[in-house]
Amino acid sequence: KNEVEQSPQNLTAQEGEFITINCSYSVGISALHWLQQHPGGGIVSLFMLSSGKKKHGRLIATINIQEKHSSLHITASHPRDSAVYICAVRGGAQKLVFGQGTRLTINP
Amino acid sequence: EADIYQTPRYLVIGTGKKITLECSQTMGHDKMYWYQQDPGMELHLIHYSYGVNSTEKGDLSSESTVSRIRTEHFPLTLESARPSHTSQYLCASSGVGLAGRYTGELFFGEGSRLTVL
Repeated sequence: KNEVEQSPQNLTAQEGEFITINCSYSVGISALHWLQQHPGGGIVSLFMLSSGKKKHGRLIATINIQEKHSSLHITASHPRDSAVYICAVRGGAQKLVFGQGTRLTINP
Repeated sequence: EADIYQTPRYLVIGTGKKITLECSQTMGHDKMYWYQQDPGMELHLIHYSYGVNSTEKGDLSSESTVSRIRTEHFPLTLESARPSHTSQYLCASSGVGLAGRYTGELFFGEGSRLTVL
């Protein structure tokens, strides 16, 4: 079992739908990152969380430290949100462990 | 806006050639990382550095080497490229910046896509 598990692995939705991507981890962490990777490979950091909730535009990230679980939500989804979303946790020795990614496709 | 740059973005070379992938950041970050990513797969750490003259191998075995002579520069070198090295290589940085404040946020370069024939 991977230390970081994301679900679903693939998600297709219609424009405007509310999207939720989940991340569960099994190790103690100091922080959790949500990253976005578009076709072409570049990665952008969306959020870094150690507790609670953060919001940026249509994106919301939450984390529950006790349950070792985080969610990334996208409200009013748009085709330009289509990308791979990656959860990564910073554990011991400050090293990052990555999830396998969730491929999101938003159809017009 | 991220100030971390990788060159070249794309490289096609023959087997046995020596190559260096460049990575530079202007944020004064102390921590820098090299990740390898095959299409549709997760990122794997191949090298990291926590400061000048400090380099460590990552979780994924790699025949590449790195150096960190200057804070802003973290090049990756393959002495003799092979087709098995075909992949995307992503450089990232984080840590204490020029203002002396630790943010922890990760910044990635655009990646270098390497094809070895």
